[in-house]
Amino acid sequence: AQSVAQPEDQVNVAEGNPLTVKCTYSVSGNPYLFWYVQYPNRGLQFLLKYITGDNLVKGSYGFEAEFNKSQTSFHLKKPSALVSDSALYFCANTGTASKLTFGTGTRLQVTL
Amino acid sequence: KAGVTQTPRYLIKTRGQQVTLSCSPISGHRSVSWYQQTPGQGLQFLFEYFSETQRNKGNFPGRFSGRQFSNSRSEMNVSTLELGDSALYLCASRRAQGAVNEQFFGPGTRLTVL
Repeated sequence: AQSVAQPEDQVNVAEGNPLTVKCTYSVSGNPYLFWYVQYPNRGLQFLLKYITGDNLVKGSYGFEAEFNKSQTSFHLKKPSALVSDSALYFCANTGTASKLTFGTGTRLQVTL
Repeated sequence: KAGVTQTPRYLIKTRGQQVTLSCSPISGHRSVSWYQQTPGQGLQFLFEYFSETQRNKGNFPGRFSGRQFSNSRSEMNVSTLELGDSALYLCASRRAQGAVNEQFFGPGTRLTVL
């Protein structure tokens, strides 16, 4: 079975500080992993994906994610958080059926 | 390039009615998927269409159906609405099928069933 887990319902960080949103995966075969962000009253926006290759993936809006096979993790990171980064973040993976299986989401709150 | 568009953005229906939601994918995208988002169940896959054929289906009852037209536009239909069908329905498109291809989402249709 393909699944991803987001252990934190909410992450709080001060503006200017680095942020990490955690994701672990459990997949058979090659893990195809994605991060999406959802702002209020909007659909999901694609941030980045890991398919193969470099373990550090760079995406939109200054976000990056580190793929760690030994820890089965794919944590989302940003060196310096902005208040405008406050949103709901979803980790997801696709399997052979190519459908997206999402984690439960992590609400990121960035404060001044 | 225009993004994925969904109409209507908001719908209010009563139990027992049926509803049709529409999705226009990004130009050139041939795969359209539908997802349901609720506070309790999160984001769940409904089905995917490619070249007018349903390619994948999630674990939803037969009341949920869809179709895709030759121009890749897609509709989903829910018959005999239940209170539990209240949700944000998201449509996503991608250029082709394949697990490695990212999907691009529309703003969603918020359905409220009274």
